[in-house]
Amino acid sequence: QVKLQQSGAELVKPGASVKLSCKTSGYTFSTSYMSWFKQIPGQSIEWIGMIYAGDGGTGYNQKFKGKATLTVDTSSSTAYMDLSSLTTEDSAVYFCANYDGTYYYFDYWGQGVMVTVSS
Amino acid sequence: DVVMTQTPPSLSVAIGQSVSISCKSSQSLVYSDGKTYLHWLLQSPGRSPKRLIYQVSNLGSGVPDRFSGTGSQKDFTLKISRVEAEDLGVYYCAQTTHFPFTFGSGTKLEIK
Repeated sequence: QVKLQQSGAELVKPGASVKLSCKTSGYTFSTSYMSWFKQIPGQSIEWIGMIYAGDGGTGYNQKFKGKATLTVDTSSSTAYMDLSSLTTEDSAVYFCANYDGTYYYFDYWGQGVMVTVSS
Repeated sequence: DVVMTQTPPSLSVAIGQSVSISCKSSQSLVYSDGKTYLHWLLQSPGRSPKRLIYQVSNLGSGVPDRFSGTGSQKDFTLKISRVEAEDLGVYYCAQTTHFPFTFGSGTKLEIK
């Protein structure tokens, strides 16, 4: 079955960077899209951006350009998101989700990872 | 950005009742291919979101047919018939017609 396994919770200091991972199984990663999202607890969901594993092509929400960088490693079927210059406003739960390229919706989701930015 | 407005923000319903959730977009969600990329998701307490309905009215795999979606252009509705305890959580509409993709503010369903 399809699985998206995200890395564990992170506690990072302001100004630092963090790299989140999303390891997939159960489908053909190399020809798929992966989207990333931010959710502050108790609030709605924001779309950060998307990457096509086939060629590494990306699309970002303008709000997150310069903040998030999406990459993939097709050899391990894993997607990554780098978050840089972290501030307390970046404290949130981050999700990855497979984006179905036929029906254009978010199909399977990772379990989410809490990133806490605190000194 | 396309603004997605969901109402009501919360609902309290007894088991077996039916409910409807509205989602209105600030722009038409009809894409140049003629299709409408409006979707519904459920986030159960403490869990990640789960897809329910895609492209307005198509049930995701394994989603019970108590769920149904209707609408067009800028006005959409999710209906849950015969609510069950497992249906509690926050329901979101989301659009993938326009970049950036956007979500509604959510409707919290509680069971009486």
